[in-house]
Amino acid sequence: GEDVEQSLFLSVREGDSSVINCTYTDSSSTYLYWYKQEPGAGLQLLTYIFSNMDMKQDQRLTVLLNKKDKHLSLRIADTQTGDSAIYFCAEIPYSGGYQKVTFGTGTKLQVIP
Amino acid sequence: EPEVTQTPSHQVTQMGQEVILRCVPISNHLYFYWYRQILGQKVEFLVSFYNNEISEKSEIFDDQFSVERPDGSNFTLKIRSTKLEDSAMYFCASSYADSSYEQYFGPGTRLTVT
Repeated sequence: GEDVEQSLFLSVREGDSSVINCTYTDSSSTYLYWYKQEPGAGLQLLTYIFSNMDMKQDQRLTVLLNKKDKHLSLRIADTQTGDSAIYFCAEIPYSGGYQKVTFGTGTKLQVIP
Repeated sequence: EPEVTQTPSHQVTQMGQEVILRCVPISNHLYFYWYRQILGQKVEFLVSFYNNEISEKSEIFDDQFSVERPDGSNFTLKIRSTKLEDSAMYFCASSYADSSYEQYFGPGTRLTVT
């Protein structure tokens, strides 16, 4: 089955690191994604990781994947007020080529100046 | 950088009316999708489309919904007789036909049914 869970809210101070966590249930997932949604805006793909990787770093973003526990996290270093948004974890379970993205519930990140 | 575009950005319609939401996917993409997000809820998959036919659809995508690629550039979602509960943000997405499986999302159309 496909279910992606996230904590609903995270508050951090500007300059601190943020860690947003996600758990998923579909072990066939090939790709796992993090999307950012700013207020009133669409979905912006931030980064993704293949399921055969443990970690991926992209500037201030670090993605960690624990396949055994089906746990994905997104770390944002030196969090800025512009990082305030809702962050969605998402997975694409491989189903023969048709890629239905399953999104998590979203974590609202609030950055306090 | 190429991007997915959607029009209109906001559509207001009366219950029972038909609406067509339009999307222009990235030009060399072959897979197209619609998602919706009811206010305050998670983004939900509606339908995927490939080679001029629906390849997968969710239980939300009932007979009142249809999709079409009327020409080489547009991809549309039609809702035949809108209900109040259809009010949501509708996102179009497209992806390459290669192994990256990376879907690019448009900015969304906010549909308000009154």
